[in-house]
Amino acid sequence: DAGVTQSPTHLIKTRGQQVTLRCSPISGHKSVSWYQQVLGQGPQFIFQYYEKEERGRGNFPDRFSARQFPNYSSELNVNALLLGDSALYLCASTGIETQYFGPGTRLLVL
Amino acid sequence: GESVGLHLPTLSVQEGDNSIINCAYSNSASDYFIWYKQESGKGPQFIIDIRSNMDKRQGQRVTVLLNKTVKHLSLQIAATQPGDSAVYFCAESGLGTYKYIFGTGTRLKVLA
Repeated sequence: DAGVTQSPTHLIKTRGQQVTLRCSPISGHKSVSWYQQVLGQGPQFIFQYYEKEERGRGNFPDRFSARQFPNYSSELNVNALLLGDSALYLCASTGIETQYFGPGTRLLVL
Repeated sequence: GESVGLHLPTLSVQEGDNSIINCAYSNSASDYFIWYKQESGKGPQFIIDIRSNMDKRQGQRVTVLLNKTVKHLSLQIAATQPGDSAVYFCAESGLGTYKYIFGTGTRLKVLA
């Protein structure tokens, strides 16, 4: 079975632009979480979606938004990009409780 | 605020020796703890987990110990191999919550 997949793998944007990141969970998993990982730090929770509903949100500005589709895939959108948004964005898929992570999308904002 | 921290940012061990990676957590309400391994350029990989009603759990070459009295978690890796070189994170989660709180990580270097 395929694990969590994310696209694109790498992305370069300039300040002020908008970006959309995509995630497909493990087959059968209905919950998707998004995390931001800045270089040298642990992942920070952004959102969790379950059955297309937002279950929780971390301490991130409203520039960050997400949604989950009927097939349980998810998109993370970030508007008005700042230099500080440069990070590895991780998607995690949850079956019962344990979160399994994808390879991430590395975003560089110039 | 709530945090999960690690005592040692870098740990170097000889190949074949046992490794012990430590983690302190501050939220006494957390009831689920997880260890992840992250290799360069990859996402965190699940290693082992433990619930708060247990104090020890063993996997293949790995053991997690939980001391709720001092809010301490450790990961023991037996017969450390070069492939074990990575950054290790502990994470905590509370009953009924949906987010994991991660620490900053410990880099494990295996010396040949």
